[in-house]
Amino acid sequence: QVQLQESGPGLVKPSQTLSLTCTVSGGSISSGSYYWSWIRQPAGKGLEWIGRIYTSGSTNYNPSLKSRVTISVDTSKNQFSLKLSSVTAADTAVYYCASSPVAAAFRYFDYWGQGTLVTVSS
Amino acid sequence: EIVLTQSPGTLSLSPGERATLSCRASQSVSSSYLAWYQQKPGQAPRLLIYGASSRATGIPDRFSGSGSGTDFTLTISRLEPEDFAVYYCQQYGSSRGFTFGPGTKVDIK
Repeated sequence: QVQLQESGPGLVKPSQTLSLTCTVSGGSISSGSYYWSWIRQPAGKGLEWIGRIYTSGSTNYNPSLKSRVTISVDTSKNQFSLKLSSVTAADTAVYYCASSPVAAAFRYFDYWGQGTLVTVSS
Repeated sequence: EIVLTQSPGTLSLSPGERATLSCRASQSVSSSYLAWYQQKPGQAPRLLIYGASSRATGIPDRFSGSGSGTDFTLTISRLEPEDFAVYYCQQYGSSRGFTFGPGTKVDIK
């Protein structure tokens, strides 16, 4: 069973770049079986999909965040990463990494990390 | 952009009662791309239903999904104590990716 674990700084200053990494275990990120996504949730609010990456490095981003987001993959470490630039307090949220199967005719997130809280504050 | 609306915002019910949650899309959504999740405080969302009506692995059969086009429903036939949580619907579109509804909170009456 695939397991995901987010890691990275819990506090980022305004205007700086938020950087998080998701480590995948129980399966190879290179298998080509999954898309790997980042999703966030401000406290007490709903879920917002940030973007996803495939093993090949191909990415898709939420149009509302596209100008500030970069998602990359490191197959040697079985990890994928998120960079969000020019952050403001509005980017304070719990950030989740999640997987969605490629082969299925459906689109959903089946495995999730536990989430990591990132606070943007000076 | 497809917007998902969930109703009611909060549903107050007692254990053993039936819960009916609605998810309405601003445009037609492929049933294959409609999913439901359960989220408890401090936890990540858990996949319940995919393809509008298929239960995910390990999900009890008291959870069922239905609907098509713009109107989808999640039904919990008999609420168990562990079912009190927030429920989100999610859709996928090729142009804008994934979007989630605002959620319905099912709390104990």
